[in-house]
Amino acid sequence: EAGVVQSPRYKIIEKKQPVAFWCNPISGHNTLYWYLQNLGQGPELLIRYENEEAVDDSQLPKDRFSAERLKGVDSTLKIQPAELGDSAVYLCASSQRTGAQYFGPGTRLTVL
Amino acid sequence: GQQLNQSPQSMFIQEGEDVSMNCTSSSIFNTWLWYKQDPGEGPVLLIALYKAGELTSNGRLTAQFGITRKDSFLNISASIPSDVGIYFCAGDYNTDKLIFGTGTRLQVFP
Repeated sequence: EAGVVQSPRYKIIEKKQPVAFWCNPISGHNTLYWYLQNLGQGPELLIRYENEEAVDDSQLPKDRFSAERLKGVDSTLKIQPAELGDSAVYLCASSQRTGAQYFGPGTRLTVL
Repeated sequence: GQQLNQSPQSMFIQEGEDVSMNCTSSSIFNTWLWYKQDPGEGPVLLIALYKAGELTSNGRLTAQFGITRKDSFLNISASIPSDVGIYFCAGDYNTDKLIFGTGTRLQVFP
């Protein structure tokens, strides 16, 4: 069974530029999560989707971050414009039910 | 954001030794998960616990869901070089929102 797929794996951009990350969850997993992981810390939830609906986006900085999950499968997370403090690893995870979440390899973003 | 207290922060052990780490919370949880993260990769699920007092093994790994529901423990027996990495605990109370620990960095020397 294929795991969670994310792309790109690495992205380097200049501040004020836009950037987008893509995630394909494990087949059959209705719940999709985007996490932010700063260096030396555990992941922190940004947004959770149940199928197409964003059911928890309370931690998403909505002034510059947006996300979508059209058709309830793939998802895209966007930052516009990026700031220096956005440099981090962006992780996507999916689950079939409450509890076990399975993570992708992450996208490492560097903002210069 | 909120993070669970995980200890120790780091461990330096010799190959073959056993390892113990724990995670504590000020809130009760219904689910405890343990993950391992290698450099440049995402966290990989090791063990999932869903019931207070539950003891679950996965090969050389054993984890327990504390009776108080506010803590969990992970033990690794007979460590090997590939056990090197960062171990994270994570808890959830029916919100489907995992709260992660601060991580335990494990280094194994031959």
